[in-house]
Amino acid sequence: GAGVSQSPRYKVAKRGQDVALRCDPISGHVSLFWYQQALGQGPEFLTYFQNEAQLDKSGLPSDRFFAERPEGSVSTLKIQRTQQEDSAVYLCASSLYQAGAFFGQGTRLTVV
Amino acid sequence: GNSVTQMEGPVTLSEEAFLTINCTYTATGYPSLFWYVQYPGEGLQLLLKATKADDKGSNKGFEATYRKETTSFHLEKGSVQVSDSAVYFCALLSSGGSYIPTFGRGTSLIVHP
Repeated sequence: GAGVSQSPRYKVAKRGQDVALRCDPISGHVSLFWYQQALGQGPEFLTYFQNEAQLDKSGLPSDRFFAERPEGSVSTLKIQRTQQEDSAVYLCASSLYQAGAFFGQGTRLTVV
Repeated sequence: GNSVTQMEGPVTLSEEAFLTINCTYTATGYPSLFWYVQYPGEGLQLLLKATKADDKGSNKGFEATYRKETTSFHLEKGSVQVSDSAVYFCALLSSGGSYIPTFGRGTSLIVHP
């Protein structure tokens, strides 16, 4: 596609529910990033893939968070047993090495 | 580690005023520097970038110059419009092999007619 696509745009989850957020990066982009953005804050790094390899997951806040990119293209961020503090916008970005990251519109997760 | 510091917002201006949003950084080596803009309910859009010292990035009337001596990358625009109202993020990409962008906290710009 022409840009980074994320789905769903909005997700409301009951506390304790599992959620899966999808990111479809720009075709051919090697690098893929997940960020978490709280209201009024900048994006906070969660995890980074180069092709299918997850090279850095140091930003994942707990073992309830899991990300994968099995074929080096589409990525899924999964959050198990969601809690209220997980409410945020989850941003996906892709890039071709150091050319600058291109972001999707984000998924706004609200845990009630 | 890498970090980006931006001026606190919101910045409130009248239409056609001059804009400056300050950004300073800490990084090893020679990072690439970026400005992103985020409109309400949207993701971040790449606005401009500079990859080496003294480079000037520009786009849509916005400019920023990579100043290595002051480790700064201030965003400027000569005449803002109401449609420029958004949140602006400064970011860096280290040259040390990690391709993970580091972002500042963002500066909200509000432009009144």
